[in-house]
Amino acid sequence: DAGVIQSPRHEVTEMGQEVTLRCKPISGHDYLFWYRQTMMRGLELLIYFNNNVPIDDSGMPEDRFSAKMPNASFSTLKIQPSEPRDSAVYFCASRLTISYNEQFFGPGTRLTVL
Amino acid sequence: GEDVEQSLFLSVREGDSSVINCTYTDSSSTYLYWYKQEPGAGLQLLTYIFSNMDMKQDQRLTVLLNKKDKHLSLRIADTQTGDSAIYFCAESRGSYIPTFGRGTSLIVHP
Repeated sequence: DAGVIQSPRHEVTEMGQEVTLRCKPISGHDYLFWYRQTMMRGLELLIYFNNNVPIDDSGMPEDRFSAKMPNASFSTLKIQPSEPRDSAVYFCASRLTISYNEQFFGPGTRLTVL
Repeated sequence: GEDVEQSLFLSVREGDSSVINCTYTDSSSTYLYWYKQEPGAGLQLLTYIFSNMDMKQDQRLTVLLNKKDKHLSLRIADTQTGDSAIYFCAESRGSYIPTFGRGTSLIVHP
């Protein structure tokens, strides 16, 4: 398996634009997580899905952020409208089952909002 | 305060041992983890320990858990330049969802 795949790897956009980040989890993994990493706040869990259903979105910073998982092999994180404070590295991770201890992280998307 | 705390930086000489420390607040933590993040990459699980253990060894890595003091450490023996990375401590409870510390940047110099 190729591991967790994220695209794009880098995104530069202007304030107010819509940004869509994409993730393909490892095949067969039931859980998918979206994280945001910044120097100020470290690694924050934004939302996670179980079998394509959002379970906990309490980490989503505000209504400008939304995430979907239309099928087991694809998820998106959308920011609309984007703001400079959204600049961060966004990671997707997947996990086989909740009791399986390892989370597999993608390489991340570095987002810069000008 | 934060749930999981780590110092931000550690600098060691190649060949020395590195010890990265972490404290956590929740005594009901069931699993404690160490993840490694290399530049430009995602986090990768290095090792984890169940809360009823006090030590785990895996080749050059030794994890020590002091549950009374809620203190976790990762010792890397014979540290190499390839060990330079950010090391994240994390803990999980009944939900199994890990809470991560901010990470410790390990710098290994010749």
